[in-house]
Amino acid sequence: QVQLQQWGAGLLKPSETLSLTCVVSGASFSGYYWTWIRQPPGKGLEWIGEINHSGSTNYNPSLKSRVTMSVDTSKNQFSLKLSSVTAADTAVYYCARRIDSWGQGTLVTVSS
Amino acid sequence: EIVLTQSPGTLSLSPGERATLSCRATQSVADNYLAWHQQKPGQAPRLLIYGASSRATGIPDRFSGSGSGTDFTLTISRLEPEDFAVYHCQQYGSSPITFGQGTRLEIK
Repeated sequence: QVQLQQWGAGLLKPSETLSLTCVVSGASFSGYYWTWIRQPPGKGLEWIGEINHSGSTNYNPSLKSRVTMSVDTSKNQFSLKLSSVTAADTAVYYCARRIDSWGQGTLVTVSS
Repeated sequence: EIVLTQSPGTLSLSPGERATLSCRATQSVADNYLAWHQQKPGQAPRLLIYGASSRATGIPDRFSGSGSGTDFTLTISRLEPEDFAVYHCQQYGSSPITFGQGTRLEIK
């Protein structure tokens, strides 16, 4: 059974860069798109983007200018960087395998 | 971008009753790549239905999905206490992947 474990800084100041990493276990890393999704407090889910094992990416146009995703197949890991964060980026960030498996979530708060 | 609208926003029912949740898309969802997720407070979402009507592994058969094109439905045939949660629909047939705003299923 696939498991996703994520980590990263939970408190950022405005203009800093959000950085999160997710490690995959229990399943092949190849052949899937690995996804980042966020959920502001009390609100719905927003797809940030996805990356596959070869590094091919698809980003949400609304965030594309600030998002960078990368993959390390040797460690079964993929990562998210979101630059120039503001309070509007405060959310729980989830990593996921496209649609069927989710990480535990990381609350990222942006505050001065 | 495909916009998904879920209705109702909140549904108040009692255990044992039947729940019907709707998800409508602004354009046809490619290959009926429509998923439903359940989310309980403080937890990550959990996949229930994919491909509009296929149940994910371990999901009880009281959960069923139907629909095609732009109109999709999640039905819970007989509500159990653990089913009261927020339900999200998601289309993954075209980029950007999008979610509905969620339906909160609460105990009446």
